[in-house]
Amino acid sequence: DTAVSQTPKYLVTQMGNDKSIKCEQNLGHDTMYWYKQDSKKFLKIMFSYNNKELIINETVPNRFSPKSPDKAHLNLHINSLELGDSAVYFCASSRQLKETQYFGPGTRLLVL
Amino acid sequence: ELKVEQNPLFLSMQEGKNYTIYCNYSTTSDRLYWYRQDPGKSLESLFVLLSNGAVKQEGRLMASLDTKARLSTLHITAAVHDLSATYFCAVDIKMDDKIIFGKGTRLHILP
Repeated sequence: DTAVSQTPKYLVTQMGNDKSIKCEQNLGHDTMYWYKQDSKKFLKIMFSYNNKELIINETVPNRFSPKSPDKAHLNLHINSLELGDSAVYFCASSRQLKETQYFGPGTRLLVL
Repeated sequence: ELKVEQNPLFLSMQEGKNYTIYCNYSTTSDRLYWYRQDPGKSLESLFVLLSNGAVKQEGRLMASLDTKARLSTLHITAAVHDLSATYFCAVDIKMDDKIIFGKGTRLHILP
């Protein structure tokens, strides 16, 4: 009964490819987030959706596009992958905006 | 510029010792979170501190919040090896929709 799940867990791909990461939460939460954690373990917010509406869109290249088909899902599509996109991407959800967040297991992306 | 600074960023300590991790922030906030991340794993919530003077304790960890000083502390009592992890504070920005994470404190407890 995973609360926040992400697929895939690992993603190895070539530069220039397009890839998607999927996230689902079964907690009934209204808010979902995408974070990027770099090799130094620094965690940066990328996007936040509340009730399927984009709330936070940090300074992220427009190659990154989130999509929320419903409250339980927030997917991340990345176009034209670059070496610097290699990182761990975490999805998270919270009951409401700015409440305690529950994190998914992470997707380890390696761009070659 | 909004800043959330954790201190220290790296800490290696012996089992049985006490230590404190500090989280300073540069803007008005009245809610602060602490998360733990084990190596190669996800983040899990430890504490949420909701008001000035709030103190929460769980086992050997105790967190406190001083909103006037814009400071939170995470105190470790009689450390054990199982507490080795990276600890993040996250600050609720009062006038914004954001929560800003600190850079994390990597704690290594030597058996």
